[in-house]
Amino acid sequence: DIQVTQSPSTLSASVGDRVTITCRASQSISSWLAWYQQKPGKAPKLLIYKASTLESGVPSRFSGSGSGTEFTLTISSLQPDDFATYYCQQYNNYWTFGQGTKVEIK
Amino acid sequence: QITLKESGPTLVKPTQTLTLTCTFSGFSLSTSGVGVGWIRQSPGKALEWLAVIYWDDNNRYSPSLKSRLTITRDTSKNQVVLTMPNMDPVDTATYYCAHRSDQSIFNYWGQGVLVTVSS
Repeated sequence: DIQVTQSPSTLSASVGDRVTITCRASQSISSWLAWYQQKPGKAPKLLIYKASTLESGVPSRFSGSGSGTEFTLTISSLQPDDFATYYCQQYNNYWTFGQGTKVEIK
Repeated sequence: QITLKESGPTLVKPTQTLTLTCTFSGFSLSTSGVGVGWIRQSPGKALEWLAVIYWDDNNRYSPSLKSRLTITRDTSKNQVVLTMPNMDPVDTATYYCAHRSDQSIFNYWGQGVLVTVSS
């Protein structure tokens, strides 16, 4: 099984901050990585797929990078609507999610 | 517009069988490359992929739960059914179904159904 590990598990930030979340895969997954945003009581929302492709309708302040085993999600200027939990997911071999990163208000 | 909605019991007793139905619209499960998957999330925990069924009726299961899961489809009703026998309190979770695109990503999700396993 391919494991994915996110860091940090919690991140405290202010509106306007640049935020970076890291995801590491236990083996190379090429660029087969997606990022999701989840708010309490809601289903996950796809933000980015294939490591860096922005899903239609997602604000451009979200960006993804990386390949192989190391990936990052960056929010260039945190907005009030961005306080949520973020998950990475590999889809190189079935699907595995990271444990999540909660972005909270500082 | 693609939509999915899960339905099923919200409370099951230990050892009982869970049957969940995903009813979808806006796409056909006969279209090449398309699939419908099930993912669950225990309270306060991360997401866990369970199963997927494809346009060609093939399916795949999470290795850790493969022995307990069955996924089937009814293309005429636009429904996918997940069956999980021998439920245990650790199976308490919100169960989501999701559209799997031809790029293998889950890009549309249902609202989820919280299933509690308790006597």
